[in-house]
Amino acid sequence: DVKVTQSSRYLVKRTGEKVFLECVQDMDHENMFWYRQDPGLGLRLIYFSYDVKMKEKGDIPEGYSVSREKKERFSLILESASTNQTSMYLCASSRRDTQYFGPGTRLTVL
Amino acid sequence: QKEVEQDPGPLSVPEGAIVSLNCTYSNSAFQYFMWYRQYSRKGPELLMYTYSSGNKEDGRFTAQVDKSSKYISLFIRDSQPSDSATYLCAMNPLDAGGTSYGKLTFGQGTILTVHP
Repeated sequence: DVKVTQSSRYLVKRTGEKVFLECVQDMDHENMFWYRQDPGLGLRLIYFSYDVKMKEKGDIPEGYSVSREKKERFSLILESASTNQTSMYLCASSRRDTQYFGPGTRLTVL
Repeated sequence: QKEVEQDPGPLSVPEGAIVSLNCTYSNSAFQYFMWYRQYSRKGPELLMYTYSSGNKEDGRFTAQVDKSSKYISLFIRDSQPSDSATYLCAMNPLDAGGTSYGKLTFGQGTILTVHP
């Protein structure tokens, strides 16, 4: 069965903190994605990766960075969290056409 | 203009109703079409997947694609309260070499509520 896991379901951080969100997939998928989801704005792609150590910017990369040192793991980093980064963060993986999502991390930045 | 436009809803129907969810798109490169269902506070889960024009059925769900009109629909028959969720359409283009890399373009989502 397809499995994408995210390190936390809920996270509360303070403005200026460095935040790490981790995503792990067990399907040997090449492609991994990070999205944020906000009411009225839908899913917005932050970064994606086609292979280990490869990354490409999505639609809203500002304020974020990513790391993919192993095929199964894709990390999203908020270098200095701000209140406008309060959101639901979703990780997904795919081999070809369809994406499989993790349960999401609801991040609140105070 | 957005590449994918989805009827925003919200949609509220009685149990047993037939539900129609719709998306239009503008990019002719889109070749793969998906519907995701997302329950509150959960990640989206793949519901239906198709790549050709026409209808595809899976139980109470039918996905319809009309590439000539750039229009896709999801029909839910005999809707149940457990169908209450946000439904997202998603599309995937092929590049010039005919390869799909799994990068999807999503609609905004339609919130559906089915009342008992």
